[in-house]
Amino acid sequence: QQQVKQSPQSLIVQKGGISIINCAYENTAFDYFPWYQQFPGKGPALLIAIRPDVSEKKEGRFTISFNKSAKQFSLHIMDSQPGDSATYFCAASLISSGSARQLTFGSGTQLTVLP
Amino acid sequence: DAGITQSPRHKVTETGTPVTLRCHQTENHRYMYWYRQDPGHGLRLIHYSYGVKDTDKGEVSDGYSVSRSKTEDFLLTLESATSSQTSVYFCAISDGTGTLGAKNIQYFGAGTRLSVL
Repeated sequence: QQQVKQSPQSLIVQKGGISIINCAYENTAFDYFPWYQQFPGKGPALLIAIRPDVSEKKEGRFTISFNKSAKQFSLHIMDSQPGDSATYFCAASLISSGSARQLTFGSGTQLTVLP
Repeated sequence: DAGITQSPRHKVTETGTPVTLRCHQTENHRYMYWYRQDPGHGLRLIHYSYGVKDTDKGEVSDGYSVSRSKTEDFLLTLESATSSQTSVYFCAISDGTGTLGAKNIQYFGAGTRLSVL
């Protein structure tokens, strides 16, 4: 059961353009929503994250928009650069055994920024 | 990769053989996780640990077992490997302290690519 749905699967944008990746979740127990960036041959790395009581969070060129009522959130990459070309994963977190944080990931979006 | 070493980095094995993947951390973090990454599925949690000898199942735990006898090591074992377990396996660690944001940061290793023929 995929609890976090991510789209699109792949995205091609021109340098300087805006990249938008969307995610939707089902489980209202999720209480934190991070985005991870992964380059080929590397492990994912945290990019930006948001709490559900916040509608927007911006860090540099990266912005998360969060709609709690619709159970949707999205990543916007402004002024996209070729160096942003990577795979992006949205995720949703909830607390589990021993206060561990269990992450459920979306299926990923492969972003290509053309020079 | 935040003081995380996964070994081996690549492995080819045959169906039915046992396989053990190792995750070693130098950060003294309490929480450790094993994920598998497959095209179209993102990363899926296999097992996790919240302390020495304290483990629990994740979303896709069937066919896998784990052990954590020391804070720094978390082992993932495929008792009898199948072709469906061909994947890239990632270990992650988390300190689990501080703000909600800090608690949710997981640091990933570089991965182990496993092929089961």
